[in-house]
Amino acid sequence: GENVEQHPSTLSVQEGDSAVIKCTYSDSASNYFPWYKQELGKGPQLIIDIRSNVGEKKDQRIAVTLNKTAKHFSLHITETQPEDSAVYFCAVDSSGGSNYKLTFGKGTLLTVNP
Amino acid sequence: EPEVTQTPSHQVTQMGQEVILRCVPISNHLYFYWYRQILGQKVEFLVSFYNNEISEKSEIFDDQFSVERPDGSNFTLKIRSTKLEDSAMYFCASKMDPSSETQYFGPGTRLLVL
Repeated sequence: GENVEQHPSTLSVQEGDSAVIKCTYSDSASNYFPWYKQELGKGPQLIIDIRSNVGEKKDQRIAVTLNKTAKHFSLHITETQPEDSAVYFCAVDSSGGSNYKLTFGKGTLLTVNP
Repeated sequence: EPEVTQTPSHQVTQMGQEVILRCVPISNHLYFYWYRQILGQKVEFLVSFYNNEISEKSEIFDDQFSVERPDGSNFTLKIRSTKLEDSAMYFCASKMDPSSETQYFGPGTRLLVL
């Protein structure tokens, strides 16, 4: 089955700095790559996603890049703010078809220090 | 903004007891999921459900688990005879239809099996 590796497991940055989280996956047939933010006591919330026919997508301070050849994708957060502190999960659609069964990475605990 | 809701938020049960976790997906969504997250670990897919039947299930989803859509709004996960290792956060998710990709997650039910 699909294997998703996520690094780093923890990341601490100063407010205003950039944060980058990286994921690799194993199934070359995967074609949908969402990123979720999970705050304490809450469910994962989608923050950005990318499809395999796109190499980069940006939404204000958040961007995702995808390298299908190398099978890795990254989340970039610029001008970080304390409210960006949370656990971030990358995920990969690993079922094909319409099921969109998501396989998640282990998560990155991002701490933004004021 | 419509959201997925889950009840109860917390459930404590004795080993061997049956539990039912309830979810109300977003009203016009047709595809439903259960995921679980053991404390400190990644989110894991359990089952997907569409058109009143299971679309896909993981190896975790054994005979002790079942899902049901008893009416037009609820989607339930039943664990027939709970084990200690079933202790986890259980997330329900939904998406609009087979062609859509974005899954929306509920806040979760924290299940503790003693």
